[in-house]
Amino acid sequence: NAGVTQTPKFQVLKTGQSMTLQCAQDMNHNSMYWYRQDPGMGLRLIYYSASEGTTDKGEVPNGYNVSRLNKREFSLRLESAAPSQTSVYFCASTRGAGRLNSPLHFGNGTRLTVT
Amino acid sequence: AQKITQTQPGMFVQEKEAVTLDCTYDTSDQSYGLFWYKQPSSGEMIFLIYQGSYDEQNATEGRYSLNFQKARKSANLVISASQLGDSAMYFCAMREGRKTIFGAGTRLFVKA
Repeated sequence: NAGVTQTPKFQVLKTGQSMTLQCAQDMNHNSMYWYRQDPGMGLRLIYYSASEGTTDKGEVPNGYNVSRLNKREFSLRLESAAPSQTSVYFCASTRGAGRLNSPLHFGNGTRLTVT
Repeated sequence: AQKITQTQPGMFVQEKEAVTLDCTYDTSDQSYGLFWYKQPSSGEMIFLIYQGSYDEQNATEGRYSLNFQKARKSANLVISASQLGDSAMYFCAMREGRKTIFGAGTRLFVKA
């Protein structure tokens, strides 16, 4: 029962490098999300995809791009990494935007350090 | 503007006692959902409890209950009979429309 799978678990980048964080869910969920977690700031929404084929900006989208590749997969790309993007990144999914009572299911997170 | 406010960065509670973690929210929507999640030191996010904006009764799940005061826009989490394993970060979250946003969290320490 995999749930939400994120890769990689850890990554170190140099300033200016690019990378893509991968996320896949096997629960047939419609909606997927990317959050970043920083000390004292909780989880902040970067981008989300309410359904296959749609993506929307969240609270902190600058410096990121996303792709909803299909219903299962939602990737997050850093085109030119900056030290301010050092964070723990979580992918999450839920059944659908219209189902208010459906909780988020989270991946185990990616710890990214940008030097 | 901050939509979810958790005013307690850290809380201590004695084992077997009850503790209340505060959460206030701001929304103009009539239909929304409120959630609490737990994050142990291992880092995973665990769903604890849900309260819908139209629910008239406070939600309960085992030792967790949600003190929902709609007019005051508060959704406090009550943990009864605290256990050492309850030591963790706790996040309040709100779903309005298509997205879910989180508060800054409260770190709970349970003392033996």
